[in-house]
Amino acid sequence: QVQLVESGGGVVQPGRSLRLSCAASGFIFSSHGMHWVRQAPGKGLEWVAVIWFDGSKKYYTDSVKGRFTISRDDAKNSLYLQMNSLRAEDTAMYYCARDPQHSFDIWGQGTMVTVSS
Amino acid sequence: QTVVTQEPSFSVSPGGTVTLTCGLNSGSVSTSYYPSWYQQTPGQAPRTLIYSTNTRSSGVPDRFSGSILGNKAALTITGAQAEDESDYYCVLYMGSGIWVFGGGTKLTVL
Repeated sequence: QVQLVESGGGVVQPGRSLRLSCAASGFIFSSHGMHWVRQAPGKGLEWVAVIWFDGSKKYYTDSVKGRFTISRDDAKNSLYLQMNSLRAEDTAMYYCARDPQHSFDIWGQGTMVTVSS
Repeated sequence: QTVVTQEPSFSVSPGGTVTLTCGLNSGSVSTSYYPSWYQQTPGQAPRTLIYSTNTRSSGVPDRFSGSILGNKAALTITGAQAEDESDYYCVLYMGSGIWVFGGGTKLTVL
């Protein structure tokens, strides 16, 4: 079935790096744009980044520009989020999501990132 | 600074109809913003209800519908059930590769 599975979360110190992965299955991964969305504990959803279906364009929310990098490997049906210079305010559950038409239709179960000393 | 507005909370009686809205602090929401709606219960990943204004996601009951009402996007639940008690989020595509979520609406069914 159509599925997204995130991994790579954990506890990391401020200023360090972490790489999240999202494994896709059950659909033609290379035909879809993909997003990362996060949710801080007790807060609402926040869009983080998008990569176009062909990897030609990448966009980020202002608070992560220059620190986070979204990428994809269509041969591995995988999406990534490289997070550098992590801050306490990056603490959140991170979800990957598929883009059908400038929105999100399939979501993963999320991976938790905690930035703390 | 673009702000997407949602009612912080709403209440509906079982079997009743409720309409949640999604607006902009400046301007009107149209189909060009591809409004979409998500349901989330505590500890769970979001579930897609509606995307591209009014396209119901696979498996979503037809009591959920999306539309544009006036200058806002709207999610209508017709015949609310106890299991509809959740947080509901909308998101708008602002163009230029940017999406903005609303703050969410906590729906109570009682």
